[in-house]
Amino acid sequence: AQSVTQLGSHVSVSEGALVLLRCNYSSSVPPYLFWYVQYPNQGLQLLLKYTSAATLVKGINGFEAEFKKSETSFHLTKPSAHMSDAAEYFCAVSPNNNNDMRFGAGTRLTVKP
Amino acid sequence: DTAVSQTPKYLVTQMGNDKSIKCEQNLGHDTMYWYKQDSKKFLKIMFSYNNKELIINETVPNRFSPKSPDKAHLNLHINSLELGDSAVYFCASSQRGTGDYGYTFGSGTRLTVV
Repeated sequence: AQSVTQLGSHVSVSEGALVLLRCNYSSSVPPYLFWYVQYPNQGLQLLLKYTSAATLVKGINGFEAEFKKSETSFHLTKPSAHMSDAAEYFCAVSPNNNNDMRFGAGTRLTVKP
Repeated sequence: DTAVSQTPKYLVTQMGNDKSIKCEQNLGHDTMYWYKQDSKKFLKIMFSYNNKELIINETVPNRFSPKSPDKAHLNLHINSLELGDSAVYFCASSQRGTGDYGYTFGSGTRLTVV
């Protein structure tokens, strides 16, 4: 079964610093991978997705993620954190056309002034 | 226009009651889902419907019964509510087979059982 593991339930960075949120996947077939963001008291919003095209995927709000098959990773990065980036971030994997998307446990990003 | 809308947004009820949560999407998607998010933010899929047909039914107590009258609606009925049912329930939708992978989520229903 496909699954994702997010390393670090809580990441804290200073405003302007690099954001790195880690996600490793487990899949027996080429997966589709996603990052979602959840702001307080809101639903999940799609940040970006990897669907076997380019391995470096650019998303909204300046985020990007790189699919590395050799490392089974799909880490999320942003060069410079803003206060508005503070939220919960979820990595997700789907084995086939997103009929059965499985989410990681989430990483809470805190941005310090 | 709200793409995926859930009602109510908040629901406080006593143990043993029966309650329903409604979900509607206006995206023309053919697949809808219910997820449960616990107090630790963990998201677990409960049900998935494609064109009104149940395709995913995780290990969920049979007190939970989804109903999809048409592909734009997926409601969740919960019988005999228990304290452990307190959580945020999210509805989502997607379109299979178009290459536009990813779900669109509603804003959630916070259920509190007292």
